[in-house]
Amino acid sequence: AQTVTQSQPEMSVQEAETVTLSCTYDTSESDYYLFWYKQPPSRQMILVIRQEAYKQQNATENRFSVNFQKAAKSFSLKISDSQLGDAAMYFCAYRSGSFGNEKLTFGTGTRLTIIP
Amino acid sequence: GAGVSQSPRYKVAKRGQDVALRCDPISGHVSLFWYQQALGQGPEFLTYFQNEAQLDKSGLPSDRFFAERPEGSVSTLKIQRTQQEDSAVYLCASSLVRGTFSYNEQFFGPGTRLTVL
Repeated sequence: AQTVTQSQPEMSVQEAETVTLSCTYDTSESDYYLFWYKQPPSRQMILVIRQEAYKQQNATENRFSVNFQKAAKSFSLKISDSQLGDAAMYFCAYRSGSFGNEKLTFGTGTRLTIIP
Repeated sequence: GAGVSQSPRYKVAKRGQDVALRCDPISGHVSLFWYQQALGQGPEFLTYFQNEAQLDKSGLPSDRFFAERPEGSVSTLKIQRTQQEDSAVYLCASSLVRGTFSYNEQFFGPGTRLTVL
């Protein structure tokens, strides 16, 4: 079974600075997807960024980028120019690449606080 | 609305009561997922439908949990004889199925917070 580990329960960053959230995972599959989700207090889970395992290039979405190290099974999220609206719980998640096996396996989350 | 909706948003039940949680997926979405999120934890997979077929129910914690999607649209998660350990937020997500090798983004609803006293 796949597992996802987030070792930082809480992180804080000064507004406009850069912060990196860590995630490691364990799998025996070669084809899979990795995600970062944001969950604000409203509880609505929002997709921030995704990475396909077969792609060597790290995904980027505006101020959000990942550092995907497949051999090390590491998938960190970098948030640049942090904004107050970035404050939320962030979850790393794994999905198998097998068709029909679409369930997400989540880590325990990192609570990100933005300091004005 | 255009998003996934869930009702009720909050539910308080006495231990031993039965509850039913509803999920309305995005129109046209084929796949529907249920997750359970305990306080301070990440969501955990419960079950998954493609249209009306329940393809995976490996995450249901006991036979007190039952999910259905009879017409391939709205889904109901039913919990019988609720216990205190059932207290959690129950999240529903839906996705299109665009093909065997396509990634299908899951769109989440706001969840139902269940408190069992």
